[in-house]
Amino acid sequence: KAGVTQTPRYLIKTRGQQVTLSCSPISGHRSVSWYQQTPGQGLQFLFEYFSETQRNKGNFPGRFSGRQFSNSRSEMNVSTLELGDSALYLCASSYAGSSGNTIYFGEGSWLTVV
Amino acid sequence: DQQVKQNSPSLSVQEGRISILNCDYTNSMFDYFLWYKKYPAEGPTFLISISSIKDKNEDGRFTVFLNKSAKHLSLHIVPSQPGDSAVYFCAASVVWGDAGQFYFGTGTSLTVIP
Repeated sequence: KAGVTQTPRYLIKTRGQQVTLSCSPISGHRSVSWYQQTPGQGLQFLFEYFSETQRNKGNFPGRFSGRQFSNSRSEMNVSTLELGDSALYLCASSYAGSSGNTIYFGEGSWLTVV
Repeated sequence: DQQVKQNSPSLSVQEGRISILNCDYTNSMFDYFLWYKKYPAEGPTFLISISSIKDKNEDGRFTVFLNKSAKHLSLHIVPSQPGDSAVYFCAASVVWGDAGQFYFGTGTSLTVIP
């Protein structure tokens, strides 16, 4: 079955703009989480959604937000972009609600802020 | 506060030999651990996981060992192949804790020399 799909794959934005990234989870998966990867920082947890509800949020400013739709697809939005927001944004999905389920990643969205 | 640490940023191994990647964690509540492999410009791919009730899990050439008392896990790849060259991330979670949140190390770049 199809994996996690993220769009767009690459984008360039200007400081101060906003961006919306999209994620379609693996069919049947109800949990979607987002991670930011920057060089030397590993993967940093942004937030997780399950059945359209945000259940957990990482230590990121309020400029980072997200939502999940009834079909489990998810979007994340970053407003008032800063140069430091340049990163690979990864979406991951899993079947159930506990953190004892393996999460599967998409290929990511590369965001460059200039 | 980095709760999962991979202290070796890089590792080089001859083809056919064993690769050992290490990971340490500080949170004694972690009870589920995973390893991911990441090629450039792709999302992380799940390799193998282990629950805290076990101390070893094997899948083909990949074996993960967990030492709970030392808060240490390792990934063994035997025999190593050039296609194994990638960045490897370890991750940990609390199964019934923070929903959907996995804590990742900063990665170890493995190079397998033909």
